[in-house]
Amino acid sequence: DGGITQSPKYLFRKEGQNVTLSCEQNLNHDAMYWYRQDPGQGLRLIYYSQIVNDFQKGDIAEGYSVSREKKESFPLTVTSAQKNPTAFYLCASSSQGATRGYTFGSGTRLTVV
Amino acid sequence: GQQLNQSPQSMFIQEGEDVSMNCTSSSIFNTWLWYKQDPGEGPVLLIALYKAGELTSNGRLTAQFGITRKDSFLNISASIPSDVGIYFCAGRDTGFQKLVFGTGTRLLVSP
Repeated sequence: DGGITQSPKYLFRKEGQNVTLSCEQNLNHDAMYWYRQDPGQGLRLIYYSQIVNDFQKGDIAEGYSVSREKKESFPLTVTSAQKNPTAFYLCASSSQGATRGYTFGSGTRLTVV
Repeated sequence: GQQLNQSPQSMFIQEGEDVSMNCTSSSIFNTWLWYKQDPGEGPVLLIALYKAGELTSNGRLTAQFGITRKDSFLNISASIPSDVGIYFCAGRDTGFQKLVFGTGTRLLVSP
């Protein structure tokens, strides 16, 4: 079955370390997205990519970086420059134009200690 | 970035009650969608609406695409404990071809 997979589900890192969150989809979707969700809050867009080898900053891109070398993969790196990285991170994908909405992964909860 | 106004922000109801929530925007959308997020999971699509005035049901859920194309409504009938979660509306921005999400409605259901 097609889907979108985020790994790991839980991630712990020490302050000052970079960490990379994985997102893989086999839905043949062109576009992929990264969102951040804080407790009791909505979804905030970090980065998105509408095509391989191209991506754009979202509303809260500072302290994050991404790559899109393959259609299926859109990893997110949380760098040490991100001042408050502890959060729930959601990856999503869609067909071009998002006419049928997004398909979300199950999320990665990152805790920085 | 833009977020849609969703209300109420939270609801605490008794099992069996009906629930209504809505979402409003200052912009016109051509597509409205409703998602549900279970605790600790990613949002899952419940209903998609593609035409102004459209009324669509999915089991106990009914959603409507507002005539003005600036709002949408979701109703849940005869709520059950597994309805607990956060409900998000989303509008499709045709200009940027991305979704704009609502602020979410947190639903708690007491058995």
